[in-house]
Amino acid sequence: NAGVTQTPKFQVLKTGQSMTLQCAQDMNHNSMYWYRQDPGMGLRLIYYSASEGTTDKGEVPNGYNVSRLNKREFSLRLESAAPSQTSVYFCASSAGIGETQYFGPGTRLLVL
Amino acid sequence: KNEVEQSPQNLTAQEGEFITINCSYSVGISALHWLQQHPGGGIVSLFMLSSGKKKHGRLIATINIQEKHSSLHITASHPRDSAVYICAVDGNQFYFGTGTSLTVIP
Repeated sequence: NAGVTQTPKFQVLKTGQSMTLQCAQDMNHNSMYWYRQDPGMGLRLIYYSASEGTTDKGEVPNGYNVSRLNKREFSLRLESAAPSQTSVYFCASSAGIGETQYFGPGTRLLVL
Repeated sequence: KNEVEQSPQNLTAQEGEFITINCSYSVGISALHWLQQHPGGGIVSLFMLSSGKKKHGRLIATINIQEKHSSLHITASHPRDSAVYICAVDGNQFYFGTGTSLTVIP
């Protein structure tokens, strides 16, 4: 089992460009999450999907959209990237809300 | 205001020392999680607690729900324990501490 995988590992964007961060899990988990991690801020929840077919906003959803494509995949889209979105993005999954979360390796994004 | 506070922020220990990292929270929770982030960035879940104490190898986690406090202990610390340890609580949403950076010197 690969667990939680994320692509790409690194990405550099210019302001205004769009991109999609991909996340997939092979643990048959119901719930998936997207976080960003910034120095001194800890992890902050962007969006989550409690189960296939549902998505909800987290603490910092502005500037992002998500799609729960199927049970395995949960993508995060930046429609018009801004320098403030420079961060490390982590995807996680869990059997259900409140259960132990398993994290992907992270995507390092730099917006110039 | 941070819903989750960790202390210390940074910790340096000699190999073999007993280490304690503290986490206090201000919201009602259903569970508390301790995470370990390796120098390469990967995050691993160490414990999920809703009461009492859990032990895994040299790691022990305790929680006092009434005092809204949890501790992570590492016995006989080793350089490979060097990482950032993050406390997270599951309230009406997940709240994360900013982490404790631990360096264990041989």
